Amino acid sequence: GDSVIQMQGQVTLSENDFLFINCTYSTTGYPTLFWYVQYSGEGPQLLLQVTTANNKGSSRGFEATYDKGTTSFHLQKTSVQEIDSAVYYCAMRMLSGSFNKLTFGAGTRLAVCP
Amino acid sequence: EAAVTQSPRSKVAVTGGKVTLSCHQTNNHDYMYWYRQDTGHGLRLIHYSYVADSTEKGDIPDGYKASRPSQENFSLILELASLSQTAVYFCASSDEDRGQNTLYFGAGTRLSVL
Repeated sequence: GDSVIQMQGQVTLSENDFLFINCTYSTTGYPTLFWYVQYSGEGPQLLLQVTTANNKGSSRGFEATYDKGTTSFHLQKTSVQEIDSAVYYCAMRMLSGSFNKLTFGAGTRLAVCP
Repeated sequence: EAAVTQSPRSKVAVTGGKVTLSCHQTNNHDYMYWYRQDTGHGLRLIHYSYVADSTEKGDIPDGYKASRPSQENFSLILELASLSQTAVYFCASSDEDRGQNTLYFGAGTRLSVL
């Protein structure tokens, strides 16, 4: 079945460090890929959508890339700040029967130290 | 602004007891979802609904029932709560009819089963 693998469970950085989070996916179809962010005490919210292979999406200083050849997608930010501390989820949307199901990765908890 | 509200925000239940988690949305969205969040597993879909008075099973429906009495309200019911159901539960809504891909989440309900 469809799956999304997010291996980095915890990432700790200092302010102004470079962030890179990687996910891989497995599906037989043509997925739509997303990044969601969850701040402490809140529900997840959409950060970025990437719909075209080799195209970048960007929001709030974050960039997302998608490599169809390696079935992977990445989230990066050049210079993280303490306010970026949150849990980041990659997600894949695929048609399951007549339902567009969203499958999430396990999440990466980012801690940014001042 | 779109809003999904969950109640209660936290609950302690006894093993074998009945638990009802409630969700209300003012987004006028057709789809509503219940997800469970566990460390190491990310967000997993329990039940969803695309119209009032109808619910569908997600990936992990065992031990859970759902009810959608109106477009705005969606409940998750644990008839016989068990220790393994201790988790954070999130409700979400989306507007699939207009091809919108974004899920709007509530703030979550932290359930502890003792």
